[in-house]
Amino acid sequence: EAGVTQFPSHSVIEKGQTVTLRCDPISGHDNLYWYRRVMGKEIKFLLHFVKESKQDESGMPNNRFLAERTGGTYSTLKVQPAELEDSGVYFCASSQGTGYNQPQHFGDGTRLSIL
Amino acid sequence: AQKVTQAQTEISVVEKEDVTLDCVYETRDTTYYLFWYKQPPSGELVFLIRRNSFDEQNEISGRYSWNFQKSTSSFNFTITASQVVDSAVYFCALSEAHRGSTLGRLYFGRGTQLTVWP
Repeated sequence: EAGVTQFPSHSVIEKGQTVTLRCDPISGHDNLYWYRRVMGKEIKFLLHFVKESKQDESGMPNNRFLAERTGGTYSTLKVQPAELEDSGVYFCASSQGTGYNQPQHFGDGTRLSIL
Repeated sequence: AQKVTQAQTEISVVEKEDVTLDCVYETRDTTYYLFWYKQPPSGELVFLIRRNSFDEQNEISGRYSWNFQKSTSSFNFTITASQVVDSAVYFCALSEAHRGSTLGRLYFGRGTQLTVWP
């Protein structure tokens, strides 16, 4: 069974540019989460999808961030325009079922560097 | 306020030593789950264990063991006879279940970098 895959693994862009991160969850997992770790700090929740619906996007930093999950399969996270403080590692995770107790399976993350 | 605190930023030990990673959490919920994840140098987060708030039994899995104590709101992780391959960042996380909470949303600590020297 393929795990959670994220693309790209690393992205370096200049301030003001646009970047789109992609996450392919484990097949059959309805829950999809995005998290971010800024250097030296804790991993923080960004948002949660159940299938194609956004359940909670309270962790999104601002309106420069847009997440989608068309068809309830893969998800994209777009940052437009990117700012210096957006640098960090963006993790995607998926889980099955409807409970809060299901372990989330994480991808390798996308390391985003804004110059 | 931080819901999960991992006070140890970095720990270094020599192979075969035992090491304990501390985790203290804060929640008003009576029902919640605690997790430990490992992040090796390759970068992915690997799930290690899940524990619910009603089960205070300690758990052992090979060289790994976990001590959950509700009285002190702690969920500590011990590696016995550490090995070089145990070198990684370890994260403790909390999931709450109160009305209005996001199902499955994890609150992470800042992680503890463990280095095991040969």
